[in-house]
Amino acid sequence: DAGVTQSPTHLIKTRGQHVTLRCSPISGHKSVSWYQQVLGQGPQFIFQYYEKEERGRGNFPDRFSARQFPNYSSELNVNALLLGDSALYLCASSLGLGFGSHSGANVLTFGAGSRLTVL
Amino acid sequence: GIQVEQSPPDLILQEGANSTLRCNFSDSVNNLQWFHQNPWGQLINLFYIPSGTKQNGRLSATTVATERYSLLYISSSQTTDSGVYFCADHAGGAQKLVFGQGTRLTINP
Repeated sequence: DAGVTQSPTHLIKTRGQHVTLRCSPISGHKSVSWYQQVLGQGPQFIFQYYEKEERGRGNFPDRFSARQFPNYSSELNVNALLLGDSALYLCASSLGLGFGSHSGANVLTFGAGSRLTVL
Repeated sequence: GIQVEQSPPDLILQEGANSTLRCNFSDSVNNLQWFHQNPWGQLINLFYIPSGTKQNGRLSATTVATERYSLLYISSSQTTDSGVYFCADHAGGAQKLVFGQGTRLTINP
């Protein structure tokens, strides 16, 4: 079975441009989450989508947006890129939504990431 | 929000050594997970361990939820164990994992 797949793997943009990152979850997983990882830090939560609805949003500006499609794949869009947006963008999928219950359905499986460099 | 502290920040060992990584939480543990990030950036889920002890080969993990900490043990380290180890826990109703800053483990041959 394929794991979580992300594209593109690497990309270089200039300030002010727009970028779209794509993610396909594990088959059967309905939840997709996006994380940003800046060099030397742990991943930071950006968005979570479950059944095509936004279920969580981290502390990121409105330049960041996302959506989930009927096949549960997802896109992360970032407008008006800044140098500080340079990071590894990670997508993760899970079976469950994660309402605090101790369930293996809350385990996240991550993709290999999309490494964005903004010049 | 929940705070996650990992220690030590860096650890350098010789191949064959054992190590213990620690994770402290400021709030109750919900869905604690340990990850290994390899040099290429891939995050691999090692354990889902909201409480108790689990073992997988040379790795084991223990979470003491009542005291809000978790430990990851690596025995007989190999160079392929090198990388950054993160612990993370679920916060709130959304699938938001809050990560620690990580422990960078370097295993020298």
